[in-house]
Amino acid sequence: SQELEQSPQSLIVQEGKNLTINCTSSKTLYGLYWYKQKYGEGLIFLMMLQKGGEEKSHEKITAKLDEKKQQSSLHITASQPSHAGIYLCGAAYTGANSKLTFGKGITLSVRP
Amino acid sequence: GAVVSQHPSRVICKSGTSVKIECRSLDFQATTMFWYRQFPKQSLMLMATSNEGSKATYEQGVEKDKFLINHASLTLSTLTVTSAHPEDSSFYICSARDKGLSGQPQHFGDGTRLSIL
Repeated sequence: SQELEQSPQSLIVQEGKNLTINCTSSKTLYGLYWYKQKYGEGLIFLMMLQKGGEEKSHEKITAKLDEKKQQSSLHITASQPSHAGIYLCGAAYTGANSKLTFGKGITLSVRP
Repeated sequence: GAVVSQHPSRVICKSGTSVKIECRSLDFQATTMFWYRQFPKQSLMLMATSNEGSKATYEQGVEKDKFLINHASLTLSTLTVTSAHPEDSSFYICSARDKGLSGQPQHFGDGTRLSIL
């Protein structure tokens, strides 16, 4: 089974709606990174979480890491077409500079 | 800040050709760069960790002689796909981490779409 699971696999929402996507690790994380990717392009860094219970926000996007440091959620408020893309979570397991393991990504579509 | 430039963005070439992809950190120095491969609708697969001034660390199952990595300076790593074949066609992405800042995120290039005919 996959070390890092993302859910749902894909999501279609109406513009203006809120949404939440998840990233679950089979083992305790050192840190969790959220990225956004447009198909065929590079990854854009969104947020990094390291402490259990940590929550960070940037514009309309909020990311949380649970106390056990095994699950993270990404919440978008009042979604816009610009939020559409592939959201990937990347897990660091062994330290601040360890390599990242990525989930398969969640494809988000926002209908105008 | 934290810009990573990857070149070329797209390559189409004949089977048997060797292809070099460059990854540059434009506004920071990176002792470590990473090379990934991504298949359609799949996750990023780490191929190797490129270390400045030393040999790259390859992930299990990745052929060292097939995918040559050189990290000659703190701002440049190259990936050469030697004697490429159609099965090497994929999307290759590099990333770099600022050497001066511990625990900082990896910053990614825009990727290279490699198509081998």
